Amino acid sequence: AQSVTQPDIHITVSEGASLELRCNYSYGATPYLFWYVQSPGQGLQLLLKYFSGDTLVQGIKGFEAEFKRSQSSFNLRKPSVHWSDAAEYFCAVGGDTGFQKLVFGTGTRLLVSP
Amino acid sequence: DAGVIQSPRHEVTEMGQEVTLRCKPISGHDYLFWYRQTMMRGLELLIYFNNNVPIDDSGMPEDRFSAKMPNASFSTLKIQPSEPRDSAVYFCASRNSQATEAFFGQGTRLTVV
Repeated sequence: AQSVTQPDIHITVSEGASLELRCNYSYGATPYLFWYVQSPGQGLQLLLKYFSGDTLVQGIKGFEAEFKRSQSSFNLRKPSVHWSDAAEYFCAVGGDTGFQKLVFGTGTRLLVSP
Repeated sequence: DAGVIQSPRHEVTEMGQEVTLRCKPISGHDYLFWYRQTMMRGLELLIYFNNNVPIDDSGMPEDRFSAKMPNASFSTLKIQPSEPRDSAVYFCASRNSQATEAFFGQGTRLTVV
C-alpha cells in the first residue's frame, strides 16, 4: 500500500522568499502524485498533479513540483511567496487504484511573515 | 457551477445522538467521496461511490457509520450513535470519470460533546 510523508509540520517563510515543501512517498510502481492546498475554513483545492512524462510539473498560483523517482520525492516549490499563500498544503499519492483512493500526508502549514 | 455543497457547515451534538451530514456533488460528476480530517490521523477516505453505488467502504471506521447515495445529486453520511471521538471535519468530494481531479466541498465541522 502507498504512503506519504510530509516531514515539516510548520514552515514560516518571509514574503517574497522562495518556498519548498517536502513530500516523500512510498509505492512500488510509478505513483499518481498530487499537491492540494487548504485555506482556513475551506475545502481542498488541487494545485498540481503528476502522472507521467515531464518530471517538472507546473500548477496554479505559480507553484511547481518535481518528481524524483530516485528520492521518492515530489517537493512543491514557489520562487516568491505571497501573503495569500498562507495555508495548509497536502501531498497525496494514488497507487493501485489510481486516483480513486488517494492517501494524503499529514500536511504542512505555511506561515508567511511580512 | 456552485461546486460541491455540504450541509451543515458546523454541527454540535451530544454523545449518543444521530448525526446526518449531507452532500450535493457537482452536476455530472459520477464519483463521490467522503473524507474525514482529524489532527491525529489527517485526511482519511471513508467511502466512495461510482454512479450512486458504494465501491469501497473499507475506510468506514465502524458500524456506527453509514453512507448512502439515493441519487446522483445527493449523498448522506450518518453516524448513529455519535461519540466524542467522531469529532472531525468531514469532507465530501466529487469527480467526473473523465477527469483526474476531485473537487472538495467546504466541509462539515462536527463536534460531539
